[in-house]
Order: sequence, then structure tokens, then C-alpha cells
Amino acid sequence: EAGVTQSPTHLIKTRGQQATLRCSPISGHTSVYWYQQALGLGLQFLLWYDEGEERNRGNFPPRFSGRQFPNYSSELNVNALELEDSALYLCASSLSGGGGTQYFGPGTRLTVL
Amino acid sequence: GQQLNQSPQSMFIQEGEDVSMNCTSSSIFNTWLWYKQDPGEGPVLLIALYKAGELTSNGRLTAQFGITRKDSFLNISASIPSDVGIYFCAGLDNYGQNFVFGPGTRLSVLP
Repeated sequence: EAGVTQSPTHLIKTRGQQATLRCSPISGHTSVYWYQQALGLGLQFLLWYDEGEERNRGNFPPRFSGRQFPNYSSELNVNALELEDSALYLCASSLSGGGGTQYFGPGTRLTVL
Repeated sequence: GQQLNQSPQSMFIQEGEDVSMNCTSSSIFNTWLWYKQDPGEGPVLLIALYKAGELTSNGRLTAQFGITRKDSFLNISASIPSDVGIYFCAGLDNYGQNFVFGPGTRLSVLP
């Protein structure tokens, strides 16, 4: 069974640009979570999608947004990139809406120059 | 909001030694998960705990869900070089909706 996949693996942008990150959950999982992990730090919760709806968001500005598609894959968009947005962005999926054990993808390393 | 603390923050051990790390909170959690993260990769689930007092093993790893539901520990026996990484605990919040992650314990294994 395929795990959570994320693309691209690496992404380099300049300040002010927009970044789009993609995630495909494990087959059968309906919930997708996004986390930001700055270098050497823990996971900061960004967004949770379930059944196509945004269920919860962490303490991040509105320029962090996303969506979930009918096939449960998800996109994370970051607008007006700032240098401090450079981080590993991790996607996780779970079976049920909230509370299900989360399985992580390999992450997208975003570098903002 | 609910927060998790992990200790120690980092540890250096000799290959073959046993390791113990824990995760504590002032709040009650309903599920505890332990993950390991290698550099530049996503966390990998090691052990999931669903009941207070539960003790679960996965190979050389053993984890327990504290009876107060406010803590959990992870033990690694006979450490090997590939145990190197960051170990995160995560707890399911009171609403049963979100997992809260600890800051991690960084483990280094010396040959």
C-alpha cells in the first residue's frame, strides 16, 4: 500500500512569490493535515482538511491557505512568501475525521531566498 | 492551549545502552503516539497507545500510556546507530480532533 506522497521534494522561491505544495493521502484516508517544521524545531500545525472541508487551522496568517480535492488529495498555498517561511512542510493523513492516527509523508523542503 | 513537554531535549548514548525518554503535560490526553524522524524526512509512526496504563512493544521499543493520562514514556533497548534521530510524542486533545506534538528528543548514538 502506498504511503502519503508529497510533491515537489524541494522548492526554491524568492521573497514575495507564491508556493504550491501537494499531498496525496493514503488510499482510504479522508483527513489531510499540514504542518510546518522550521529547521531544528518541532511540528507546528497549519491546517486540517476532511471530506473536502477545512476543519481547523493553526496560528498562521491567512496567506497560508489550502484546499482538499474530491479525491482527498490536498494543496497548500503560501502567498507573499517571506524568508521565515523556509521550512520542511509535512503532510499527514488519517482514516477518520480528527483523532485518527496520522501517517506522514516525506515532506517538501521550501527555501525562500 | 494544550502543550506537551519532552525530556530530555537531547541525549548522547553509547551503542548498546538502553534509552528512556518521556512526554508530559498538565492536560489529559486520550491517545499517545510516538514518532521517529530522520533528518530531512517525515516522521514515522513507532507506537500508538489508546488506553491509560497500556504498555506496548514494537521490537526493541516499548511505550506506556501513563495512568494519569498526562504522560507517556518511550524506552529503547540495546540502542544501535540507526536509532539516531528525533523522537516526537503526540497526544490527542480533549476534543478528540487534533494531535498536539511535543518539541522532540534528539537522540545521538555513539559507536
